[in-house]
Amino acid sequence: NAGVTQTPKFRILKIGQSMTLQCTQDMNHNYMYWYRQDPGMGLKLIYYSVGAGITDKGEVPNGYNVSRSTTEDFPLRLELAAPSQTSVYFCATSTRDEQFFGPGTRLTVL
Amino acid sequence: GENVEQHPSTLSVQEGDSAVIKCTYSDSASNYFPWYKQELGKRPQLIIDIRSNVGEKKDQRIAVTLNKTAKHFSLHITETQPEDSAVYFCAASMASGTYKYIFGTGTRLKVLA
Repeated sequence: NAGVTQTPKFRILKIGQSMTLQCTQDMNHNYMYWYRQDPGMGLKLIYYSVGAGITDKGEVPNGYNVSRSTTEDFPLRLELAAPSQTSVYFCATSTRDEQFFGPGTRLTVL
Repeated sequence: GENVEQHPSTLSVQEGDSAVIKCTYSDSASNYFPWYKQELGKRPQLIIDIRSNVGEKKDQRIAVTLNKTAKHFSLHITETQPEDSAVYFCAASMASGTYKYIFGTGTRLKVLA
């Protein structure tokens, strides 16, 4: 039982490049979330999903896209990376209230 | 929009003393208030939570209190230990049924041995 896994752990992008952050869960949770955490700051919700095929924007969705084709997977797509997207990205899942976080992806855009 | 304010941003206490972290939320519809602990370089992990129909909840050295009227909730850690050193985040649920949360900006707690 791996819980919530994220790949890659680290990535350096050049401005304008694109990439997909992967998130997979084996907990059979309906709710999945993507957060970003800037240095010394709290967690900001980017996108979330209440089940396969259903996604919605959070507080800071600009510059990102998501899809949810299965219960297990919730990839986050960055198009045209910008330095402002340098952050640590956490995926999380929940059944209702308690959220379970993945280990995070540290992304640097230069 | 909805907002959660958290204070203080940093807190240093002597080992064995108590630590208190306070949060204020803006959305009167919020009904679930979790606290997460994040050690350096690690993921946030839930340490305690409280629902709006309860005023206080305790789990060993950790307690949370909620004042719905004032829209305040607080984390209390007693008999602090060096392993309590971490960043603590409060959060408040957004519109009922969405299971979305607004997080506070975090408190860096340092327990001095």
